[in-house]
Amino acid sequence: DVKVTQSSRYLVKRTGEKVFLECVQDMDHENMFWYRQDPGLGLRLIYFSYDVKMKEKGDIPEGYSVSREKKERFSLILESASTNQTSMYLCASSLRTGFTGANVLTFGAGSRLTVL
Amino acid sequence: AQTVTQSQPEMSVQEAETVTLSCTYDTSESNYYLFWYKQPPSRQMILVIRQEAYKQQNATENRFSVNFQKAAKSFSLKISDSQLGDTAMYFCAFARKAAGNKLTFGGGTRVLVKP
Repeated sequence: DVKVTQSSRYLVKRTGEKVFLECVQDMDHENMFWYRQDPGLGLRLIYFSYDVKMKEKGDIPEGYSVSREKKERFSLILESASTNQTSMYLCASSLRTGFTGANVLTFGAGSRLTVL
Repeated sequence: AQTVTQSQPEMSVQEAETVTLSCTYDTSESNYYLFWYKQPPSRQMILVIRQEAYKQQNATENRFSVNFQKAAKSFSLKISDSQLGDTAMYFCAFARKAAGNKLTFGGGTRVLVKP
């Protein structure tokens, strides 16, 4: 029973390419997140969205943008991929803030991006 | 800004033994949540345990328990009766109650359970 689905497990792109990472959740969650995972650094928040068409920058938004046109889908966009964006990207979702259990994140399996 | 520090990059433990993972955090907030997440080799991250800062009692979930020391800003995870399926990366995380669901994660501890 997959709840958060990331469209690609592995991607290889070239420097300068535009990259789309897609995430879909089927739990009717209001909040969605994109994290980047690097060894020794843990997970760092790139962007999050608390409603359709709403977004806020996280801790490391530079070089990234996001799109949330529908409640269930949250896309991460690398406008011009660079080698330092080679990483594991994790999508997550959660209930609206204020609800019981709202701060429990459900994660996708991750997308491993390599930029050559 | 909040920071979360996990000082042990890797730990190994024999099956059925106990292992304790350390986590410290830095915050000036009084209302917050702390979490331990587990990421098995298959990579799907799952919640292990959650603690609310205003609760004195340490959270417990089956073989997993925490030692929450609010004054020391310490939040360690104890895994009792370790099983092979406990082999994973473990991440400590912090969330300000006022900041909704934005979590700040530590660098992670890799736990290897040996048969």
